[in-house]
Amino acid sequence: GQQVMQIPQYQHVQEGEDFTTYCNSSTTLSNIQWYKQRPGGHPVFLIQLVKSGEVKKQKRLTFQFGEAKKNSSLHITATQTTDVGTYFCAGHNGNKLVFGAGTILRVKS
Amino acid sequence: DGGITQSPKYLFRKEGQNVTLSCEQNLNHDAMYWYRQDPGQGLRLIYYSQIVNDFQKGDIAEGYSVSREKKESFPLTVTSAQKNPTAFYLCASTSPADTQYFGPGTRLTVL
Repeated sequence: GQQVMQIPQYQHVQEGEDFTTYCNSSTTLSNIQWYKQRPGGHPVFLIQLVKSGEVKKQKRLTFQFGEAKKNSSLHITATQTTDVGTYFCAGHNGNKLVFGAGTILRVKS
Repeated sequence: DGGITQSPKYLFRKEGQNVTLSCEQNLNHDAMYWYRQDPGQGLRLIYYSQIVNDFQKGDIAEGYSVSREKKESFPLTVTSAQKNPTAFYLCASTSPADTQYFGPGTRLTVL
């Protein structure tokens, strides 16, 4: 079945440093979604990418969808303490969303 | 105020007891999902339902059961057959745009 791999598993950065998490699928995706889960909270939808090579920005967050629609990345510029949490990518497999294992981001102030 | 509610937030049960977790949504979404999350891990799909009176097993359905008698409700029963039930359980529903809305979760601890 479809697998979605996400790296790194964990990253600890100094406030102000950049952060990137990468997502790779074993199959071509129709779209990819990104979610953020704050510590102790539940996942919250951030964005969906649909087109090959698509790039979208949300303030300091930049999302990319690969040309082959099998990989994606989330880049945060100049991290802040409010960015802490786990970032998940997810791709569709029929009626189901397949989630990556997530990248845990910790920010030192 | 639209959304998904799960109750209770924390639940403690003795080993060998069945327990039912509640999930209600007023978003008028057709599809609903149950996930399990273990510490430091991703989301694993337990069951999902695309429409009332129909549901399908996810990747880790053993030891769990669900029902979907109403569009708004998708309760999950953790049975005594589930070997490691202690986890964080998340319910979600899917919008027409295929994005998932999650409830606040229930943290189940089996003593």
